[in-house]
Amino acid sequence: EAGVAQSPRYKIIEKRQSVAFWCNPISGHATLYWYQQILGQGPKLLIQFQNNGVVDDSQLPKDRFSAERLKGVDSTLKIQPAKLEDSAVYLCASSLVAGPGITEQYFGPGTRLTVT
Amino acid sequence: AQSVTQLDSQVPVFEEAPVELRCNYSSSVSVYLFWYVQYPNQGLQLLLKYLSGSTLVKGINGFEAEFNKSQTSFHLRKPSVHISDTAEYFCAVSGFSNTGNQFYFGTGTSLTVIP
Repeated sequence: EAGVAQSPRYKIIEKRQSVAFWCNPISGHATLYWYQQILGQGPKLLIQFQNNGVVDDSQLPKDRFSAERLKGVDSTLKIQPAKLEDSAVYLCASSLVAGPGITEQYFGPGTRLTVT
Repeated sequence: AQSVTQLDSQVPVFEEAPVELRCNYSSSVSVYLFWYVQYPNQGLQLLLKYLSGSTLVKGINGFEAEFNKSQTSFHLRKPSVHISDTAEYFCAVSGFSNTGNQFYFGTGTSLTVIP
């Protein structure tokens, strides 16, 4: 089966500009996650979708970050305007279900964002 | 609340030597534990997971981990490492709350295998 797809793989922007990342999860996976991984740190969950609804966005900086998964399949994460501290790898992951009992998360290759 | 502590940020080890990467967790609910590996410029790949049952879990590439509830640990081990094991390793904990499954990752351990 195809894995989690993300694009672009790399992006360089200037501060105060906008940027968008795209993720296509594994077919049939109801749950989609966006993580931010700053250099030298572990991934930090930004937002979790269950189908097209938001389950958890408690760590999403909502003044500048937004995400959507309109049809419950692919998702877009946007940053507007970007700050220097947003430089990181943005990882998308998906899993089959969410709820009691755990399911494995499958990760995409990530998008490396550099804000100058 | 759940959290993960990886005690070693960098672990150098000679090729064919054994290695242990340490992970401790804290959680107020039943936990599920994972180890992921991240090769340079790649996404995270699952090495192994503990959900229930036997406390010794075997994963891919010859890795294994032991769940120790009394010590709240889930250390990763390999009896003989290869150059190709050089990568970043992340321990993660997950538990179910009223907002669904939540994953928390440690800060990672960089394993460098020395020829």
